Amino acid sequence: GENVEQHPSTLSVQEGDSAVIKCTYSDSASNYFPWYKQELGKRPQLIIDIRSNVGEKKDQRIAVTLNKTAKHFSLHITETQPEDSAVYFCAASMRTGANNLFFGTGTRLTVIP
Amino acid sequence: DAGVTQSPTHLIKTRGQQVTLRCSPKSGHDTVSWYQQALGQGPQFIFQYYEEEERQRGNFPDRFSGHQFPNYSSELNVNALLLGDSALYLCASSLYGQAGELFFGEGSRLTVL
Repeated sequence: GENVEQHPSTLSVQEGDSAVIKCTYSDSASNYFPWYKQELGKRPQLIIDIRSNVGEKKDQRIAVTLNKTAKHFSLHITETQPEDSAVYFCAASMRTGANNLFFGTGTRLTVIP
Repeated sequence: DAGVTQSPTHLIKTRGQQVTLRCSPKSGHDTVSWYQQALGQGPQFIFQYYEEEERQRGNFPDRFSGHQFPNYSSELNVNALLLGDSALYLCASSLYGQAGELFFGEGSRLTVL
């Protein structure tokens, strides 16, 4: 099955700086890569996703890049704010209709005011 | 428009007991997936239900079973509970075969003593 690895496990940045989280996946058949944000005690919420026919996608301060050849994708958050502090999960899926996501182990991001 | 709702939110069981968790999908969704999230880990796919049938299953033993009802709601049953079953159990809903966001509920936190 698919194996998703995520780095780093913890990340601290100063407010206003950028944060980058990286993930690799093992199954070349995966073609959908969402990123979820989970605040303490809350449900995971989708913040951005990318499909395999696209190399980069941006939504305001958040961007995701995908390198299918190398089988890795990254989340970039610019101008970080304290409310960005949370655990971020990457995931991969073949999106065959079964919608079973394979998640990374998470990155705890702390934005220091 | 109600999102994904789960019950109960918290429960405590002892080893060997059985537990049933419930999920109502987001209005308009027909597919329910269940995930187990151990403390400090990413969610792990248990199984998915569509048209009242289990469509896909992750690497979980037969002690984990489920059901989907005609109104699309779902139950997750776990028999012969082990200490290692302590986790946050997340339900997610979606439209089968459609590209789009997987919506998560707030989860049911199970503690096995």
